[in-house]
This record gives sequence, structure tokens and C-alpha cells, in this order.
Amino acid sequence: QVQLQESGPGLVKPSETLSLTCTVSGGSITSYYWSWIRQPPGKGLEWIGYIYYSGSTNYNPSLKSRVTISVDTSKNQFSLKLSSVSAADTAVYYCARRAEYYYASGSYYFDFWGQGTLVTVSS
Amino acid sequence: QSVLTQPPSASGTPGQRVTISCSGSSSNIGSHTVNWYQQLPGAAPKLLIYSNNQRPSGAPDRFSGSKSGTSASLAISGLQSEDEADYSCAAWDDSLNGPVFGTGTKVTVL
Repeated sequence: QVQLQESGPGLVKPSETLSLTCTVSGGSITSYYWSWIRQPPGKGLEWIGYIYYSGSTNYNPSLKSRVTISVDTSKNQFSLKLSSVSAADTAVYYCARRAEYYYASGSYYFDFWGQGTLVTVSS
Repeated sequence: QSVLTQPPSASGTPGQRVTISCSGSSSNIGSHTVNWYQQLPGAAPKLLIYSNNQRPSGAPDRFSGSKSGTSASLAISGLQSEDEADYSCAAWDDSLNGPVFGTGTKVTVL
């Protein structure tokens, strides 16, 4: 059973960079796309971006100028950096694996999620 | 930044059927399949329905999904107390080249 675990500081100061790592266990990071998704308190989910194990990425245009997602296949990990944070970036951050339905090309969904980590932006 | 619209709440008594709607546009639901996620209080989202109407292993068969045009629905038949949770729809979006999520619906078992 694949498991994902987020790690990183729970408190970040305004204007600084938020850094999180997701460690994948119970399976290989290769051959899949891996995403970061966040949920502000009391609000809906927002996709941040994804990375393929080869290193290719795609980011939400609303965050693209501040986001970097990277992968370390040797450690079975991928990471998120979000720069110039503000209080609006306070959220629970989740990492998740993207799967594709075998019988419907382009039918993507998130089948495994981390437990999430709350990151608060405050001085 | 939720793009898919859901009712904020839904409720029912044990055993009742509850339906949750999800409304999108031609660039997401109209062009792609819909997934549903269940989020128990304080927990991470869990995949409930994928590709409009497919249940992953372990998902109870009282949950079913459907899609028509730019809208989708999740039905819970035979509502149980453990179904009290938040439910979110999601679909790939062409303009984003990524997924968009619904506003979320809180289901209460009366």
C-alpha cells in the first residue's frame, strides 16, 4: 500500500519561502505524476502543481510565479517551495499521487494522499 | 479558487437517499471525467468515485456517481452515520491543464 507523508515547518514568516517534502513509501515514485494540493481553513481544495518522476512540471497559473516543485527519485521524495508567502498561503498542504483510469485515457484522479500538514504564515 | 459549484450542505436521516450536485463548464466537466472525494473531519481527502462512476476498492456500493453535460452528481443510498463528512467533486480543466475542485458539500446525518 502506497503511503505519502508531508514534512516541513509548520510556521513560516511573511515574505519568506515555504518548503515542504513528501516522502513516498510502499511503492516507487517512478512512472507516476505527483501533486501538491492545499486547503485554506474552512475552504475548498486548490491544486498547486504536479511533477513527473522525470522532472517535468506543471503549475497552477495563479501560483506559477512563486512555485517550484522538484523530485529526488533516489530518496523517493518530491518537494514544494512557495516563495514570498503571505497570510493567504496559510493552509493544510497535501501531497498526492495522480493516477489514470486504464480504460479511459485522460481520466485522472488522486488515489493516494498524505495526511496533510498545516502551514501557518505569521510573524 | 474553487471552480466547480456545489451546494454548501445536504442532510438526511439514516437510510435516506441524499444527492449532491456539482456544476462546471465546458472546459472541465464538459470535457473530462469527474471524481468525488470524501473528507472526514480532520482527515485528508479520500477517493470515493473516479471516472464519473467507478468505485475504488473499499468504497461502499451505496455511493454512486453520474455525469451529464457540464454537471455531475453523487448519490448516497441508505445514508449511514459514518457518511457524515465533506464531499468534493473534481475534474481536469483544459485552461489550467490541471484539476479543479468543487466548493465542497457538508453532509449531515440527522
